[in-house]
Amino acid sequence: DAGVTQSPTHLIKTRGQQVTLRCSPKSGHDTVSWYQQALGQGPQFIFQYYEEEERQRGNFPDRFSGHQFPNYSSELNVNALLLGDSALYLCASRFQGADTQYFGPGTRLTVL
Amino acid sequence: AQSVTQLDSQVPVFEEAPVELRCNYSSSVSVYLFWYVQYPNQGLQLLLKYLSGSTLVKGINGFEAEFNKSQTSFHSRKPSVHISDTAEYFCAVIRTNFGNEKLTFGTGTRLTIIP
Repeated sequence: DAGVTQSPTHLIKTRGQQVTLRCSPKSGHDTVSWYQQALGQGPQFIFQYYEEEERQRGNFPDRFSGHQFPNYSSELNVNALLLGDSALYLCASRFQGADTQYFGPGTRLTVL
Repeated sequence: AQSVTQLDSQVPVFEEAPVELRCNYSSSVSVYLFWYVQYPNQGLQLLLKYLSGSTLVKGINGFEAEFNKSQTSFHSRKPSVHISDTAEYFCAVIRTNFGNEKLTFGTGTRLTIIP
């Protein structure tokens, strides 16, 4: 049983560019959340998707957007990248209503 | 809103010695509590969780934690650490009546094992 997978593993972009990160949830999981983990910090909630809709959003600007596909996989898009967007981006999945979220290995984004 | 405080940003421990990782939380509603472990250059792995019932819960890798509602704490312990326990440990909470709830994390405790 494959766990949560994310791609790419690493990504380097320059300021002002746009980036798309991808996540495939654990088999059978229908809810996907995205977190940003800056260096030396705990993960911060970005948003959560269920039934292809954004259900909850953290304190992140509109430059951060997402999508969930019918197969429950998800994308995180960030526009107009800033140096401060450099972080590890983590995807987590669970069954809707379940208590435990399972995390992927993350995508490390570096903005130069 | 919920918040989590991890009292120690770094904990150095000699190999085979015991360790305690401290976590306090603040919430106006009931919460579930979690510890996650992050090994270098990896994602988060669930270490243990408290949902209800016995306040002492056991997790993976020999760790256990005790939920103390009166002190709003969820400290994790291991009686004898190994080099392989070197990692960042995060305490997190989520509301019990969650539907689309987020995890709220602490800032992490870096556990360093000294040979």
